[in-house]
Amino acid sequence: NAGVTQTPKFQVLKTGQSMTLQCAQDMNHEYMSWYRQDPGMGLRLIHYSVGAGITDQGEVPNGYNVSRSTTEDFPLRLLSAAPSQTSVYFCASSKNPTGTGYNEQYFGPGTRLTVT
Amino acid sequence: GQQLNQSPQSMFIQEGEDVSMNCTSSSIFNTWLWYKQDPGEGPVLLIALYKAGELTSNGRLTAQFGITRKDSFLNISASIPSDVGIYFCAGEDSNYQLIWGAGTKLIIKP
Repeated sequence: NAGVTQTPKFQVLKTGQSMTLQCAQDMNHEYMSWYRQDPGMGLRLIHYSVGAGITDQGEVPNGYNVSRSTTEDFPLRLLSAAPSQTSVYFCASSKNPTGTGYNEQYFGPGTRLTVT
Repeated sequence: GQQLNQSPQSMFIQEGEDVSMNCTSSSIFNTWLWYKQDPGEGPVLLIALYKAGELTSNGRLTAQFGITRKDSFLNISASIPSDVGIYFCAGEDSNYQLIWGAGTKLIIKP
């Protein structure tokens, strides 16, 4: 298993540009999520999905869109990049959206995004 | 929003020393998780705790779920160079969302 994969690993955008961060998992996990990590602030949840066709907002959803058309893929779209979106973005998945083990999440290697 | 305080922010230790870090919350959590993040990588789960009072070990790592359900600690015994990194605690709230601590950076003095 490749686990959780993310592309690209690094990206530089200009203010106002749009882009999609890709995330895929091959573990047949129902739950997938996107976090951003900023220095000294831990991980903050952007959006999550409990299964194909179902998405919901996390703590910091503004400026980001997601969709979940398949179990495997969960792309994150930046609609109009802003310098405040400079961060490291992590995708994570877990196998069971309810019950024990729900939040034993597996993380991808991250995408380091700089917006100038 | 919910607050989760993780301390210390960073630790400078000698190889072979024991390490202790903890997290406290203003709210009750159903689950406590401890993760480690190496530079340039995503966090990796170390230990998961599901019951108040639970004490769980994973090799040289030991973690406990506090009786009040508002705190947890992680101990590392006899630290080695590969223990360096950032350790995160995370608590699962009543809405099944994870609340994350800001991390404890572990540095081993040469």
